[in-house]
Amino acid sequence: AQSVTQLGSHVSVSEGALVLLRCNYSSSVPPYLFWYVQYPNQGLQLLLKYTSAATLVKGINGFEAEFKKSETSFHLTKPSAHMSDAAEYFCAVSDGTGGSYIPTFGRGTSLIVHP
Amino acid sequence: ETGVTQSPTHLIKTRGQQVTLRCSSQSGHNTVSWYQQALGQGPQFIFQYYREEENGRGNFPPRFSGLQFPNYSSELNVNALELDDSALYLCASSLGLEMTDTQYFGPGTRLTVL
Repeated sequence: AQSVTQLGSHVSVSEGALVLLRCNYSSSVPPYLFWYVQYPNQGLQLLLKYTSAATLVKGINGFEAEFKKSETSFHLTKPSAHMSDAAEYFCAVSDGTGGSYIPTFGRGTSLIVHP
Repeated sequence: ETGVTQSPTHLIKTRGQQVTLRCSSQSGHNTVSWYQQALGQGPQFIFQYYREEENGRGNFPPRFSGLQFPNYSSELNVNALELDDSALYLCASSLGLEMTDTQYFGPGTRLTVL
């Protein structure tokens, strides 16, 4: 069965600092992995996805994530935080088991950006 | 290309009542998925429809049901509401069933059950 663990329910950074949001997954087969962002009172927006091509995936808004099979991780990073990055971030995994590509989401990490 | 819309934005019901939530998918998207997002949690998959047929279901009881219509709209119906049904309900549409088909989420309906 697929599952996702997001370490840290809240991450606080200063504007301009490195952003690192952690995600570890569990899957019996090579997975597809996703990061979504949710701004207050809005739905989820796809930031980036890994689909077994390049292990370093670049997304929107300057975010990127690296798939590390040996560590079963897919951490999200951004070199320099901006105030507008403050939001809830969700990691999700899908491994197609049972013929379904329905993603399983983590519990989310709230990113707080201080001026 | 219009986005995914949901109605109503907010809804308050009492325990035991029934509710219908609506979603309008992007034109041309044959797949719609519904999720329940409780406060402080990630979205939990309820069910998915592909070309008006249910294509998969999560761990939700039968009182959660749905419909998908030919005009790219869909409904989520919940009968016999319970307090734990209070959550944000999200719908997401995509072109088809491939993993490479990106899901586009609506803004959600906030349901409060008293």
